[in-house]
Amino acid sequence: AQRVTQPEKLLSVFKGAPVELKCNYSYSGSPELFWYVQYSRQRLQLLLRHISRESIKGFTADLNKGETSFHLKKPFAQEEDSAMYYCALSGRTGGGNKLTFGTGTQLKVEL
Amino acid sequence: DTAVSQTPKYLVTQMGNDKSIKCEQNLGHDTMYWYKQDSKKFLKIMFSYNNKELIINETVPNRFSPKSPDKAHLNLHINSLELGDSAVYFCASSQSYGGDGYTFGSGTRLTVV
Repeated sequence: AQRVTQPEKLLSVFKGAPVELKCNYSYSGSPELFWYVQYSRQRLQLLLRHISRESIKGFTADLNKGETSFHLKKPFAQEEDSAMYYCALSGRTGGGNKLTFGTGTQLKVEL
Repeated sequence: DTAVSQTPKYLVTQMGNDKSIKCEQNLGHDTMYWYKQDSKKFLKIMFSYNNKELIINETVPNRFSPKSPDKAHLNLHINSLELGDSAVYFCASSQSYGGDGYTFGSGTRLTVV
């Protein structure tokens, strides 16, 4: 079974402060991990995937297999970062691939 | 030139009615999905189709019936709508291995009254 845990429902930070959104996973195989962002009442957009090791909008995430974590970080929060962030794990199940989401963390950046 | 498009965007209907949501993707992906986002913003997979074949069916009531006429389309038909079906339904698509992530549609907000 694959599971993704995001322990914080809401994270509130001030503009310019560092941000860390926590994500832990459980999966027996080799995981493929992603971060998705959902701005108010919009579609989910892919933010990051661990395979590409890229930085998008200043966000980075490192896969730590020892701690089974994939935390999302940004050194200086911006107001436009306020959104819902979902960590997701892609794994094989039955005959197909399934993307399992965590429960999401609402990030609120205050002025 | 929207990659994954869903219609309608909003749907308000009475309990007991039957309704359909349509989804189309122009990305050339071979796999499509339906996800449900409830009032607490939890996202849960409902179905997955690969090349028109159902491959994932996650404990969803029989009132929900997906149909894939071809690999670019995946529709969702819901019979005898209940209050608890109120949610945002997202369609998504990917290549079958899923390694590039999924592309999501803009969602259909279903309200059952």
